[in-house]
Amino acid sequence: GQQLNQSPQSMFIQEGEDVSMNCTSSSIFNTWLWYKQDPGEGPVLLIALYKAGELTSNGRLTAQFGITRKDSFLNISASIPSDVGIYFCAGRMEYGNKLVFGAGTILRVKS
Amino acid sequence: EPEVTQTPSHQVTQMGQEVILRCVPISNHLYFYWYRQILGQKVEFLVSFYNNEISEKSEIFDDQFSVERPDGSNFTLKIRSTKLEDSAMYFCASNHESGENQPQHFGDGTRLSIL
Repeated sequence: GQQLNQSPQSMFIQEGEDVSMNCTSSSIFNTWLWYKQDPGEGPVLLIALYKAGELTSNGRLTAQFGITRKDSFLNISASIPSDVGIYFCAGRMEYGNKLVFGAGTILRVKS
Repeated sequence: EPEVTQTPSHQVTQMGQEVILRCVPISNHLYFYWYRQILGQKVEFLVSFYNNEISEKSEIFDDQFSVERPDGSNFTLKIRSTKLEDSAMYFCASNHESGENQPQHFGDGTRLSIL
């Protein structure tokens, strides 16, 4: 089946630092999505990417859809304590609407 | 902002019992999904539903599972005879009628605990 490899598995960073995480796959995806999940809640959409090469920002968050359509990264600049949570990448393939999720990146921020 | 709502937030059920998880998708959405997340693991696709029928399902979605849209607002997931390994968070999601290039929005989930 389709697999998304997400890294790093976890990060423990100082407040104010920049963060980068990425997802790669052997399969081609038509859509890449980045979600954040807080404890006890559902995934909340951060950024959606629909075209290869697309670079999109949402406040301090920036994400890119890789040219090969097999990868994506998410950057968070100047991290703050409320950035703590689990970040998931998710991809949608050319046919069908189901999302395939990465294993998540646990982000901890120390102030 | 409109959101996907799920009830109950936590369901505790004896093994072998039937359970129904309920979702109210965003009102103008026509594509509906169920996903599950076993504790500490990634989110896994179960089933997608459009135009009153299943459009895609995963290997997890076996004969014990069924989905229904009984009226114009609710979307339910039924597990006929629950097993211990069905314990997980179950998330409902929906997206806009156009489907393509529309991100899926998730509810806060139902935590299902099978005893």
